[in-house]
Amino acid sequence: DAKTTQPNSMESNEEEPVHLPCNHSTISGTDYIHWYRQLPSQGPEYVIHGLTSNVNNRMASLAIAEDRKSSTLILHRATLRDAAVYYCILRDPFSGNTGKLIFGQGTTLQVKP
Amino acid sequence: NAGVTQTPKFQVLKTGQSMTLQCAQDMNHNSMYWYRQDPGMGLRLIYYSASEGTTDKGEVPNGYNVSRLNKREFSLRLESAAPSQTSVYFCASSDLGGINTGELFFGEGSRLTVL
Repeated sequence: DAKTTQPNSMESNEEEPVHLPCNHSTISGTDYIHWYRQLPSQGPEYVIHGLTSNVNNRMASLAIAEDRKSSTLILHRATLRDAAVYYCILRDPFSGNTGKLIFGQGTTLQVKP
Repeated sequence: NAGVTQTPKFQVLKTGQSMTLQCAQDMNHNSMYWYRQDPGMGLRLIYYSASEGTTDKGEVPNGYNVSRLNKREFSLRLESAAPSQTSVYFCASSDLGGINTGELFFGEGSRLTVL
């Protein structure tokens, strides 16, 4: 399974944009880039995913580098509720493992008021 | 829609006891998963079931067994609990129609303590 590398922690101020980076230099052509977050004492929740093009949804934006070796999750205006651990994960839908997700350590985001 | 429901939410066991964690989803998903999360760590995959009738080992399967009872339900059994199995367990499901690109939906977790 291709691996991802994320910073252990980041800080942001409330109502400012946050850019969470992820490196995945060994990504294969069929790997999708998934982002999940985990709020304290809760299960992970889906944030966004993409393959090649940048993606937007109501929660965030995903910017994918042209060579796909890195990506950035963008929270446009951080709120206190966005304080969580953010996981960047590669998912291959065509592998024999049926696209299971392998979680790394993630980035702990602190949001200051 | 309840989504993914796990029971029990909390359990304390003594070493050597057995128990089963239950998981049910109401989204008609094909794939279901069991993860464990130790303090300060990311999630690790224990077992998964790509579809009804199939199960496969994940990263840390030792000490566990699973049963995909039907399309809705996927249970995790500890036959002889050990303190090293103290953890928070998460069940997840995904992939309506067998398309493996979609999101995983997680339950709220089951906190297990083995004394």
